[in-house]
Amino acid sequence: GAGVSQSPSNKVTEKGKDVELRCDPISGHTALYWYRQSLGQGLEFLIYFQGNSAPDKSGLPSDRFSAERTGGSVSTLTIQRTQQEDSAVYLCASSTWAFQPQHFGDGTRLSIL
Amino acid sequence: AQSVTQLDSQVPVFEEAPVELRCNYSSSVSVYLFWYVQYPNQGLQLLLKYLSGSTLVESINGFEAEFNKSQTSFHLRKPSVHISDTAEYFCAVSFLYNFNKFYFGSGTKLNVKP
Repeated sequence: GAGVSQSPSNKVTEKGKDVELRCDPISGHTALYWYRQSLGQGLEFLIYFQGNSAPDKSGLPSDRFSAERTGGSVSTLTIQRTQQEDSAVYLCASSTWAFQPQHFGDGTRLSIL
Repeated sequence: AQSVTQLDSQVPVFEEAPVELRCNYSSSVSVYLFWYVQYPNQGLQLLLKYLSGSTLVESINGFEAEFNKSQTSFHLRKPSVHISDTAEYFCAVSFLYNFNKFYFGSGTKLNVKP
């Protein structure tokens, strides 16, 4: 399809395990964002990629969180040693350039038992 | 720290009534402003945006928002709502110096009743 694709759509894992969340942005979009949406909360900015520039990691909540974007396209968000407070919906968005409207994926719902 | 405030977490309204969803942000520096909507069981999608020019912007489904620099606000309005407008609405702002980074409000759930 032509939209932002995220996988898996749902992930249930045990506390302490590592998880990887994948995002396929719209082809040609140079900007890619990761957000976290906790129950009853707004979107929390996690990280931003723009082309080949160094990513803006200022929103990552701890060093257990990391993300990479390979070849300027697909991105992976990794959470190590998951905690129950990591349970949330993780959203990926892409846009043609910085501050242009973002196109969102359907998110990955992460549940930590 | 920069922030975006949506004071109303829930707004119940009857069909065909007017509605205003409030959004305020923390700084009077140059900004880009957005409203996103999330319909039940769907992903977020852009409703309208202000980048420059006229301070009043409109969407294709009858919503409008006005950028008020002095009040640092970008309230969303619709003169007559429909059942199909039931959704969660998020205000988003990107500020001068770091347009890369978007700040989202906590969302307002609009519940339109028949």
